[in-house]
Amino acid sequence: DTEVTQTPKHLVMGMTNKKSLKCEQHMGHRAMYWYKQKAKKPPELMFVYSYEKLSINESVPSRFSPECPNSSLLNLHLHALQPEDSALYLCASSQDGLAGLYEQYFGPGTRLTVT
Amino acid sequence: GDSVTQMEGPVTLSEEAFLTINCTYTATGYPSLFWYVQYPGEGLQLLLKATKADDKGSNKGFEATYRKETTSFHLEKGSVQVSDSAVYFCALSMVGGATNKLIFGTGTLLAVQP
Repeated sequence: DTEVTQTPKHLVMGMTNKKSLKCEQHMGHRAMYWYKQKAKKPPELMFVYSYEKLSINESVPSRFSPECPNSSLLNLHLHALQPEDSALYLCASSQDGLAGLYEQYFGPGTRLTVT
Repeated sequence: GDSVTQMEGPVTLSEEAFLTINCTYTATGYPSLFWYVQYPGEGLQLLLKATKADDKGSNKGFEATYRKETTSFHLEKGSVQVSDSAVYFCALSMVGGATNKLIFGTGTLLAVQP
């Protein structure tokens, strides 16, 4: 099974709301990732967790707060977002955090709209 | 810095035509190379990969060969179907690098007409 699941599939939130995106994998992978993808663009890396520790933060604004409660789960907490944060948010996982050795498996994404 | 360059799309083909999507890379070390596909409204799926020079990745009739001498990883398929219509991303990841980061090309939209 090479499935990464994400919930919700769609999310509409106001600029004052607090919401969370969830991601889960049961492949025993030890690295998990959050990406942001705008229309007609490639995904942009936001965060990387390796062995449940945050290893990369690509200078993401603090209104995005990642959390990795255990090796199978990854959350992205959202607060005070801006309309320009509307995008497809993709979660991915890989067997290990070692660079270049393992492919990443992506979830279907959460389509976020900020009003 | 490390980068990936893909041919501009869209690429429009008739069903059963031959497909080539060009991908070249710039890397300071030894990258692994990947092709990902994104169908409308979905996430990315790994299509194929190659981890060293002269490796050929293949899946679902698609092939790509890691050419170190030309720093290329072109995607090919002998006979495309309407169901192959999607965006294709070439990507690299540096083996042994400090970060496990995928560097993507800009993506190539493929539209296959019946």
